[in-house]
Amino acid sequence: DSGVTQTPKHLITATGQRVTLRCSPRSGDLSVYWYQQSLDQGLQFLIQYYNGEERAKGNILERFSAQQFPDLHSELNLSSLELGDSALYFCASSVAPHGNTEAFFGQGTRLTVV
Amino acid sequence: GQQVMQIPQYQHVQEGEDFTTYCNSSTTLSNIQWYKQRPGGHPVFLIQLVKSGEVKKQKRLTFQFGEAKKNSSLHITATQTTDVGTYFCAASPAGFGNEKLTFGTGTRLTIIP
Repeated sequence: DSGVTQTPKHLITATGQRVTLRCSPRSGDLSVYWYQQSLDQGLQFLIQYYNGEERAKGNILERFSAQQFPDLHSELNLSSLELGDSALYFCASSVAPHGNTEAFFGQGTRLTVV
Repeated sequence: GQQVMQIPQYQHVQEGEDFTTYCNSSTTLSNIQWYKQRPGGHPVFLIQLVKSGEVKKQKRLTFQFGEAKKNSSLHITATQTTDVGTYFCAASPAGFGNEKLTFGTGTRLTIIP
């Protein structure tokens, strides 16, 4: 158990809909990362937050947004969903804001868009 | 932007054979990390390398960081079925603002018993 909790584990929704993925970081970790992993693909960095502030942005679509709340949990919002958005979405957390500390991954949310 | 490539993409080995995956960056790195993702699982941190030319060992696994801090390798000696999974390197660029942890494309290892 990494200490990072993601909900829900599975999500099936229709094209055009909007969903929210939730992540609770490990106790004491201030940094949260979101990654997208399509079938048999690598991990695509989406966005990073540190202590409530956005710190780094990857190839995140405009239809996607995220935020980190005062209690440090984070949500990833995906709207106007398309079939190609079907993927495994991972959240990871780390102690420091920069990328040179160990990242702990959650179990992921598997999103299926039909 | 920074790109991190890994080769090979897939590797099938007989149990007991050695395995190596290579990671190459287009830019100088602050550090490099290695993660393992078992089938159906999530990435799990294995190790971090920081110094130029650094070599670290974990039992049958040997990790190296290149002298120029642009490449790295993971070598597994005498593979076992428990080594099955996808191995990712992850890197942060050198310099100020090295926030983003960029993952390599991964190498999927399968073991033939």
